[in-house]
Amino acid sequence: GENVEQHPSTLSVQEGDSAVIKCTYSDSASNYFPWYKQELGKRPQLIIDIRSNVGEKKDQRIAVTLNKTAKHFSLHITETQPEDSAVYFCAASKAAGNKLTFGGGTRVLVKP
Amino acid sequence: NAGVTQTPKFQVLKTGQSMTLQCAQDMNHNSMYWYRQDPGMGLRLIYYSASEGTTDKGEVPNGYNVSRLNKREFSLRLESAAPSQTSVYFCATTGDGRMGHFGQGTRLTVV
Repeated sequence: GENVEQHPSTLSVQEGDSAVIKCTYSDSASNYFPWYKQELGKRPQLIIDIRSNVGEKKDQRIAVTLNKTAKHFSLHITETQPEDSAVYFCAASKAAGNKLTFGGGTRVLVKP
Repeated sequence: NAGVTQTPKFQVLKTGQSMTLQCAQDMNHNSMYWYRQDPGMGLRLIYYSASEGTTDKGEVPNGYNVSRLNKREFSLRLESAAPSQTSVYFCATTGDGRMGHFGQGTRLTVV
């Protein structure tokens, strides 16, 4: 089955700096890659997703890039703010309606 | 429009007891999922239902059963709870081509 690895497990950045989280996946058939933000004690919230026919997608301060050949995708957060502090999860599946495999998560701390 | 609603929010069980976690969605989505999240870890798929009347095992199905009662409801049953099932359980749905709708979670402790 699919295996998703996520790095780093923790990330501390200064407010205003950029944060980058990287994920690799094993199943070349995967073609849907969402990212989730989870605040302490809350449910995961979808923040951005990308499909395999797209190499990059941006939404304000958040961007995701996908390299299908290398089977890795990354989340980029620019101009980080304290409210960006949370755990971020990447995931992969063969379709948006199919079962997701999650990475282990990255705890991001934005220091004011 | 409540989205995805889970009950209960918290539960403490004794080893060997049984219980059912309920999930209901009002978004008319076909696909529903049950995940568990252990402390400091990602979510692992227990069972999913691609449509009403179908269910399939996920990554960690042992010790659980599910029922897709109708399009709205997808329940998860623990027949004989074990301490290893202490976790936070999330129900989720897929709609509009995006996997983005989670319930608020059920925090289960088995003692």
